[in-house]
Amino acid sequence: ILNVEQSPQSLHVQEGDSTNFTCSFPSSNFYALHWYRWETAKSPEALFVMTLNGDEKKKGRISATLNTKEGYSYLYIKGSQPEDSATYLCAFRGTYKYIFGTGTRLKVLA
Amino acid sequence: NAGVTQTPKFQVLKTGQSMTLQCAQDMNHNSMYWYRQDPGMGLRLIYYSASEGTTDKGEVPNGYNVSRLNKREFSLRLESAAPSQTSVYFCASIQGLAGVGEQYFGPGTRLTVT
Repeated sequence: ILNVEQSPQSLHVQEGDSTNFTCSFPSSNFYALHWYRWETAKSPEALFVMTLNGDEKKKGRISATLNTKEGYSYLYIKGSQPEDSATYLCAFRGTYKYIFGTGTRLKVLA
Repeated sequence: NAGVTQTPKFQVLKTGQSMTLQCAQDMNHNSMYWYRQDPGMGLRLIYYSASEGTTDKGEVPNGYNVSRLNKREFSLRLESAAPSQTSVYFCASIQGLAGVGEQYFGPGTRLTVT
């Protein structure tokens, strides 16, 4: 059974703090690693699709890195804002299609 | 351009009833997916369709059937609903046969089986 694990499960940070989360995935049969932002009562929204070892992607204050050899990806948020509050999901795309983690629930306190 | 649409948004069924969840995308995507989302668990793949005319089982296919009616539409059918199928169901589509592009999700269908 292939597992994708995310940590921490949840965290609270103060507005302006920087934070990061981890996604661990199988290091074999790797095709891509996806990050999504999921607000309550909405559907997941794609943030990044990462395919190459050493990839680093950035969108505004959010960035992500990828290490396919050791099977992990980090998502960073710089200067967190209340509107960043959401669940951040990662999904491993291998030969068995997509396997999702359970997400990291972020709450940014004003 | 509506993206991925799902109907209905909410549904309550009695055990043993049947229903079909509809999904359509207007982005000309080849691959479409059905997931379920349960508390404390990640999104789990029920069925997927890599291209029009093909469907394959995902991680949790039991109790479900699917139809890829055409390139736009991918429906999920519950023949005899069970309380264990109470969940939020998401449809998604992705460009390309390899499926490594961005996945676009529908708004979800919240299903309760009593």
